[in-house]
Amino acid sequence: AQSVSQHNHHVILSEAASLELGCNYSYGGTVNLFWYVQYPGQHLQLLLKYFSGDPLVKGIKGFEAEFIKSKFSFNLRKPSVQWSDTAEYFCAVNLYQGGKLIFGQGTELSVKP
Amino acid sequence: EAGVAQSPRYKIIEKRQSVAFWCNPISGHATLYWYQQILGQGPKLLIQFQNNGVVDDSQLPKDRFSAERLKGVDSTLKIQPAKLEDSAVYLCASSLAAAHGGYTFGSGTRLTVV
Repeated sequence: AQSVSQHNHHVILSEAASLELGCNYSYGGTVNLFWYVQYPGQHLQLLLKYFSGDPLVKGIKGFEAEFIKSKFSFNLRKPSVQWSDTAEYFCAVNLYQGGKLIFGQGTELSVKP
Repeated sequence: EAGVAQSPRYKIIEKRQSVAFWCNPISGHATLYWYQQILGQGPKLLIQFQNNGVVDDSQLPKDRFSAERLKGVDSTLKIQPAKLEDSAVYLCASSLAAAHGGYTFGSGTRLTVV
């Protein structure tokens, strides 16, 4: 069965530090890849997505992610985090547009002011 | 554009009671999903509808969970009888089946079974 693995359960950073959250998936075929963010008390929001083309994807709020097919990875990055980035981050894949999303277990990011 | 509406926001019930959650997707979104998010885990799909037909319900515990999407618009998810392990946030999402726009999630219903 397809699965998504996020490397870190909880990450604590100081403001202005760089961020990289790992995500690996297990599926040999073509996938669509997503990063969602869930701010405290709010609903899941799409940060960025990759369907095809340039493997470096830019999303909202300065986030980007790189798809490395050979490593089955889709890591999320941000050069300089802010306190307002404190949230839970979920990596997800689906096998076709409109198909179900398979989520990782999430990474909680805490940014200290 | 209005988002995905869910109600109630919170529900506390005793085990063996029944409960129902309601979801109204974004207008025109043919595909509707119900996810279960247990604390500390990522959301897990319970059921997926395409219009009013079921596409995937392989992870739905059918002995106690049921869902319907009459008329292909809003949807109801029911649990009867509830167990302690059903305590979770129940998320509804919708999408255009063939769009690049991704999925839109509702705020969820937080269920506590005591």
